[in-house]
Amino acid sequence: DQQVKQNSPSLSVQEGRISILNCDYTNSMFDYFLWYKKYPAEGPTFLISISSIKDKNEDGRFTVFLNKSAKHLSLHIVPSQPGDSAVYFCAASFFGNEKLTFGTGTRLTIIP
Amino acid sequence: DTGVSQDPRHKITKRGQNVTFRCDPISEHNRLYWYRQTLGQGPEFLTYFQNEAQLEKSRLLSDRFSAERPKGSFSTLEIQRTEQGDSAMYLCASSNGQVRFFGPGTRLTVL
Repeated sequence: DQQVKQNSPSLSVQEGRISILNCDYTNSMFDYFLWYKKYPAEGPTFLISISSIKDKNEDGRFTVFLNKSAKHLSLHIVPSQPGDSAVYFCAASFFGNEKLTFGTGTRLTIIP
Repeated sequence: DTGVSQDPRHKITKRGQNVTFRCDPISEHNRLYWYRQTLGQGPEFLTYFQNEAQLEKSRLLSDRFSAERPKGSFSTLEIQRTEQGDSAMYLCASSNGQVRFFGPGTRLTVL
């Protein structure tokens, strides 16, 4: 049962444009969401997170939007840079549960 | 470097052998996690420690797997009688809040 889904395995975006990565979840108990970035042969690096009491969180070029009614979140990267090329994972958890559930990832390629 | 460290970074072993991996978390973090990642998948939760107590284990953690965190600092993950299906990246993470910080992982290849 895939509770966190990233339906786009890959995405290519021109440098300087906006990258939008999507994530859907099925478990309504999830109340905290995170995005991680992963380069080959490295562990995931934390990017940005959002609590279910918010619908938007911004950190520099990265913004995460949460739509609780649709059980959907998205990560916006503006402007996209070549160093953003990596695999992006969406993850979710809920209070009292230490297990972080990950999606399958989206490979983002920024085209110079 | 005060991040999470893991050793070794790569391990190649023959089927049936035992392997042990080590994780050193960020020093002030009391929670430590082990995850496994296979190709094309996201990391999957294996187990979790709060200080030295192992509080949760996934059903993915068969009886061939054992994890310890004896003094509430570093942790070890041992796999006995390895099988080819154990080939994966084993990731360790630590936290003292909602965000888990991951180490670089140990890539295990079972021949």
